[in-house]
Amino acid sequence: QQQVKQSPQSLIVQKGGISIINCAYENTAFDYFPWYQQFPGKGPALLIAIRPDVSEKKEGRFTISFNKSAKQFSLHIMDSQPGDSATYFCAARRGNQGGKLIFGQGTELSVKP
Amino acid sequence: EAGVVQSPRYKIIEKKQPVAFWCNPISGHNTLYWYRQNLGQGPELLIRYENEEAVDDSQLPKDRFSAERLKGVDSTLKIQPAELGDSAVYLCASSSGGTGNTIYFGEGSWLTVV
Repeated sequence: QQQVKQSPQSLIVQKGGISIINCAYENTAFDYFPWYQQFPGKGPALLIAIRPDVSEKKEGRFTISFNKSAKQFSLHIMDSQPGDSATYFCAARRGNQGGKLIFGQGTELSVKP
Repeated sequence: EAGVVQSPRYKIIEKKQPVAFWCNPISGHNTLYWYRQNLGQGPELLIRYENEEAVDDSQLPKDRFSAERLKGVDSTLKIQPAELGDSAVYLCASSSGGTGNTIYFGEGSWLTVV
């Protein structure tokens, strides 16, 4: 079942621009929301994560915004660089299900020079 | 520190043949996961181990898939017989346990069934 919906499916941004990827979830029992970055031929790597008790988390050029009432969260990449070109996945986890992550369908980001 | 190691990286087999994938998690990680990632999709959990015990295998197609984690370290995922629809990337991941710990993924085993 699709419990985490991600959009857009693909995104093209100019170098220096802002990339924004959105996710929506259904299950209010989710208590951990990570974003993973995946380059071609590689496994997903954790980029940044947030818990629902905060509305925003920033690490360098990457920011997660979290709206608990709307059950939505988003990834913002500031000053996007060609090296950011990758597929990004949002995910969600229920604390009482151990480490099981439910992933979104992914967004393929292309940053043009 | 070595990451999650998987082998083989690539495998092409004919349908109805068996295939096995091996995973060595990060040292000290007692939780091990096998995920399947279809082309253009996010990973989906197949099975999760806590040490040597499979604690969540609800999404594992047990008629043809099997997994084991002897001694609570390395793990093997087997498909027998393989079907065309099994073509995917099989990702192994590990974490040190607990609900707040990062899950680290290997580079995956890319399976093509022809």
